[in-house]
Order: sequence, then structure tokens, then C-alpha cells
Amino acid sequence: ETGVTQTPRHLVMGMTNKKSLKCEQHLGHNAMYWYKQSAKKPLELMFVYNFKEQTENNSVPSRFSPECPNSSHLFLHLHTLQPEDSALYLCASSPQTGYSNQPQHFGDGTRLSIL
Amino acid sequence: DAKTTQPTSMDCAEGRAANLPCNHSTISGNEYVYWYRQIHSQGPQYIIHGLKNNETNEMASLIITEDRKSSTLILPHATLRDTAVYYCIVRVDQAGTALIFGKGTTLSVSS
Repeated sequence: ETGVTQTPRHLVMGMTNKKSLKCEQHLGHNAMYWYKQSAKKPLELMFVYNFKEQTENNSVPSRFSPECPNSSHLFLHLHTLQPEDSALYLCASSPQTGYSNQPQHFGDGTRLSIL
Repeated sequence: DAKTTQPTSMDCAEGRAANLPCNHSTISGNEYVYWYRQIHSQGPQYIIHGLKNNETNEMASLIITEDRKSSTLILPHATLRDTAVYYCIVRVDQAGTALIFGKGTTLSVSS
């Protein structure tokens, strides 16, 4: 148990569907992250939030829309996805950004498959 | 951007110590060395991190050479559950947020 919970664990959707991924952390952290892990590729940072404010968007296509209503919750809204978006989407949290002495803690991810 | 070099794979017998090496010869003075592992179908799990001194916690020990150009993660008594991909990461990108994961070392623990 890492203290970071992601739901759903698995999601299959068509290219025209709209769905949302949810992440919740119980660690009292103020920074939250979305990463993408495609098959046989390293993790790629997508978005960063610090104290509910988005601080990084790593050139992510607009069909991915993040939302951070409070420091404990992070959403990734999905619409009109492409087959190449099939991947493991990971959420992480840390006390706050900008401190390299603070580890990030990950959830177990949502395995997304686009038909 | 400091990078790391790790062996692609290693084997270890159950109950023995697993010593996983990592080279980071371009590390800067204020960059930390982090170790994570990823078990199949799970997210990366934080293990340990350090700057200069050796570190130990309930999971592992981290030995960093005096010149900081390499380090070794030690799992003192490996179990089958320790089979995973182990990532050595030197923190971080320019903005100080992303963890840059490489290909890691696949550790296989067998009985």
C-alpha cells in the first residue's frame, strides 16, 4: 500500500468515448503527477500540479485534460483518444515540487486500452 | 542531464544478498541518487535515495562511492517477491520535477 490509489485499474474504451481516470493520495502531499508508460518505453511525465496549480504540461495533446480540485485528488479526463494512447497511466505524489530530496510515490496505475 | 548505466539483467538465489550496481559518472554535486523498482503490473515503488552518505532502511541499503560516480543497491536477503525491474535514477530534469526512468535492471530471484 503506497498511499496513492488509482481507479479504475483497467479501462477499455472506444476512440469516441469520454472517460476519466481518478487518483487519490492519503499522504498529505501537495504535489501530484501524471505519467504515461507505453510498452517497452520509459515513463513519460505528462502533467504536474503543485498546491492545486498546474506547473507543467509536457506537450501533451489536448485530448488529455487534467483536473486537480484539491491536493488529494487528481483526474485525467480522456476524449477522442487514439490507439497509440493505449498505455499504463500512473499517478504519483510528493510533498511538493522543487525539492530533489523528496521521493515521489506512485499508484499502481490504470491500464488503458483504446479499441 | 546526469544519466545512469545499469546492467540489463541479474540473477540471485533466494536468501542471498542482491547487489545491483549503477554508474552515474556525470552526476552533479547536488543531485540525489534514487532507486525504484517495478513489479509486473504495478506502479514503481520507491526504495531508497541518497546524496553522499550510505543509507539504509527497512527495504535496502544504498552504498555511494566517495567520488559519487557509482552506487550499489543491496537487498540483504532476496526473496522471490523481489523479482522486479530496478531503476537507478539521478534526480532530475531541469525543472526539478520529473523522474527520468531508464531501462533498469531486471532482477530474477530464484529458489
